[in-house]
Amino acid sequence: GESVGLHLPTLSVQEGDNSIINCAYSNSASDYFIWYKQESGKGPQFIIDIRSNMDKRQGQRVTVLLNKTVKHLSLQIAATQPGDSAVYFCAENIPSGYALNFGKGTSLLVTP
Amino acid sequence: DTAVSQTPKYLVTQMGNDKSIKCEQNLGHDTMYWYKQDSKKFLKIMFSYNNKELIINETVPNRFSPKSPDKAHLNLHINSLELGDSAVYFCASSSIGEKLFFGSGTQLSVL
Repeated sequence: GESVGLHLPTLSVQEGDNSIINCAYSNSASDYFIWYKQESGKGPQFIIDIRSNMDKRQGQRVTVLLNKTVKHLSLQIAATQPGDSAVYFCAENIPSGYALNFGKGTSLLVTP
Repeated sequence: DTAVSQTPKYLVTQMGNDKSIKCEQNLGHDTMYWYKQDSKKFLKIMFSYNNKELIINETVPNRFSPKSPDKAHLNLHINSLELGDSAVYFCASSSIGEKLFFGSGTQLSVL
């Protein structure tokens, strides 16, 4: 999920397939992680979160996996739908707790 | 009811002007934020306020001045606008250490 060059990394999947979006976070002291979805012209919208005492958390069609050893976070979306097309951001808390640092985003494109 | 609302949604102005963006939240949160999103979609924290007190002030030019009249409001005033200020500005709120709720953004275009 890290940006390369000038463009957002893009993941293109077919409708009905599963999607996996990856993110590397930077601060080993972070203990709270969140995935956000941003549709065009809108603000980031909360999808799912996980605290560092867990390595997996499931929601409706979404699963977040946390690997603290390698500072890696992933978002799995089951049975991807056209409405899932958006930019996805991972975020980690600043240890003071007073803000989130965002990753560079991954654009998910769902094709019929 | 909109949880975090910011106005205006679009702001087009000339270089050198002064402008303000307003933000209000009705979620009862004690912490509010301003983020800037650039053309590459990168979201960067500018300021955070907790109970009307400035907590985080990232390396933002002092032409940007946030003001929090009460816990439910955090406004952003920008003096002497420059071309590089063009971006989308997002207000957000949260309880401390919890997920942020974002407004729908203000697209600022400086001509």
